[in-house]
Amino acid sequence: NAGVMQNPRHLVRRRGQEARLRCSPVKGHSHVYWYRQLPEEGLKFMVYLQKENIIDESGMPKERFSAEFPKEGPSILRIQQVVRGDSAAYFCASSPPSNSNYGYTFGSGTRLTVV
Amino acid sequence: GENVEQHPSTLSVQEGDSAVIKCTYSDSASNYFPWYKQELGKRPQLIIDIRSNVGEKKDQRIAVTLNKTAKHFSLHITETQPEDSAVYFCAATSGNTPLVFGKGTRLSVIA
Repeated sequence: NAGVMQNPRHLVRRRGQEARLRCSPVKGHSHVYWYRQLPEEGLKFMVYLQKENIIDESGMPKERFSAEFPKEGPSILRIQQVVRGDSAAYFCASSPPSNSNYGYTFGSGTRLTVV
Repeated sequence: GENVEQHPSTLSVQEGDSAVIKCTYSDSASNYFPWYKQELGKRPQLIIDIRSNVGEKKDQRIAVTLNKTAKHFSLHITETQPEDSAVYFCAATSGNTPLVFGKGTRLSVIA
């Protein structure tokens, strides 16, 4: 069991470019959550997905941010036209079908730096 | 929606002393309260959790207490060691919505 795999670990983008973050959940987990962590701050919920469905995107900015969890392949968090304020650590977590909002396992995160 | 407040934001203790971190929550429907430890540059890792049908849970040097009436829960670490130094996050959920986290407590254990 490889756990939650996120890549890349570090990502540098220039302002205006697109950032694409990937998350492969624990094998057998069907729920994926994305959280953003700014320096010296807590984990802010962004979006909750199941396969091919967005369940809750109440924490995601309306502009430039999107997420998907296709039937095959990893979940993707996409940030278009990045700005300096998007610099943060983005963590993905997954949970099994029987424990949808309990027992999260986190990935190691992607640290996005916008220059 | 749920709101979780966590105190203190930083905590320094001497090695061997106890550390206590407190959290309050707003949604009386919340029934699951995990605690995560995050070492510098690493992923948050679940260290202990408690459900609303119990008032206390212990795992070696770590314990969590829950007061449903007052809507607060606390993490207790006894006999602290330098490797306990990290940022600790509390969280809450009713099960119907994603976990809501506190802002974290940076614990420093001084040898």
